[in-house]
Parts: sequence; C-alpha cells; structure tokens
Amino acid sequence: GENVEQHPSTLSVQEGDSAVIKCTYSDSASNYFPWYKQELGKRPQLIIDIRSNVGEKKDQRIAVTLNKTAKHFSLHITETQPEDSAVYFCAASIKTSYDKVIFGPGTSLSVIP
Amino acid sequence: DGGITQSPKYLFRKEGQNVTLSCEQNLNHDAMYWYRQDPGQGLRLIYYSQIVNDFQKGDIAEGYSVSREKKESFPLTVTSAQKNPTAFYLCASKRANRDRDLNGYTFGSGTRLTVV
Repeated sequence: GENVEQHPSTLSVQEGDSAVIKCTYSDSASNYFPWYKQELGKRPQLIIDIRSNVGEKKDQRIAVTLNKTAKHFSLHITETQPEDSAVYFCAASIKTSYDKVIFGPGTSLSVIP
Repeated sequence: DGGITQSPKYLFRKEGQNVTLSCEQNLNHDAMYWYRQDPGQGLRLIYYSQIVNDFQKGDIAEGYSVSREKKESFPLTVTSAQKNPTAFYLCASKRANRDRDLNGYTFGSGTRLTVV
C-alpha cells in the first residue's frame, strides 16, 4: 500500500546551523506534498507545501525540494533558531475520490542554543 | 482559535465505556477528518467526511463511529470495541477541491484520551 518514510526520526542541531529532513513516498500518483510543524502540546500547522509540477519552493528560512523521479522530497531549514524545535511531519497527497493523505512518522527536531 | 475547535482537551474513559469527542469548525470547510496520533507512528486516518450526511472509513476505523449531521460538526465516538484507545486525537478540515487543486489541512488542538 501507499507509504511515506521519513528520516531521521530525531535530529539535534546547534542554533544557526541548517537542518534537513528527508521523505520518500511510494505512490507515483502523489501530487501534493505538505509539511506540518507540531510544537509540544499543540496542533500541527502547515508550514510549506509543494506541488508535483514544481521542483523547489522557498519561504524565508524554510525550503522544500521535490524529486518526482526518485520519489523523494526534503525540508530544509537554514539558520535554525530554538523556536524551530518541534516535530515535523511530511505528507503525500493523492487526488482520488477524496484527498488521500499519507503522513510520515515525524522527525523530532531540537535546536540547541 | 484557528477556526476549528476540539473538546475536551483531556478525556478519561473507563473500560467498556463509550466516549464522544467533539469537533466544530467555522471555516465553511466541506471536508472533515479524524486522525489518531501515537508516538512514532505519525497520523493515521480514522474517518473522513466530504459532505454533510456522508462519511467514509479510513485506515483504522474499527471501534470508532462518526456522524456528520451539520457541516460545522464532526463528532467521533470511541466505542468499547476499540481495545487500545489511549492516544491523541486530531480533527482536521479543508476546503473542497473543486478545481482539483490540493491544499493543506487546518487542525484542531487535539483531545488526549486515556483509559483508566
């Protein structure tokens, strides 16, 4: 069945360094890839997304890249800050009779001051 | 509070008891979803509803039931048939995709259910 893998499961970086989270998906029909940030005890929030007709998208310190051939997509956070500490989920969506969304298992990012 | 409200925030269930989790949205979103979150497993879909009076099972629907009598409301009942209900439950909504353009969810703040 459809699956989204996400690595690493935990990531610790020094403040100011970059963080990269990688995801792979199994269903080649996937065409929308959102990323969610969930701070401790709070709801997941959409932080950036990319559609299948785009290879890269950037929003200030965060960027997402997509390689449809390899079925990989990645989240890049530059100049990390302590408030970036959270669990990040990637997801892959397929437009079927409904919007089928498969989430990755999450990456716990810790930014060390 | 983001337009989608879940209550209660914490809920304790006794063995053999049914409990209902509330989810209300004022975003005029057509589609609503229930997810279960367990550590290390991401989010798993329980039920979803695209329109009023219609809902479909997700990947882990056994032991759960839902209703969609109003566009704004999508309550989830955790029945006694759910043998391992302790988890964090998230409700989400999104616009309908009439133009085939996918978009992201708006999540509620979640309900943490514990069996005692």
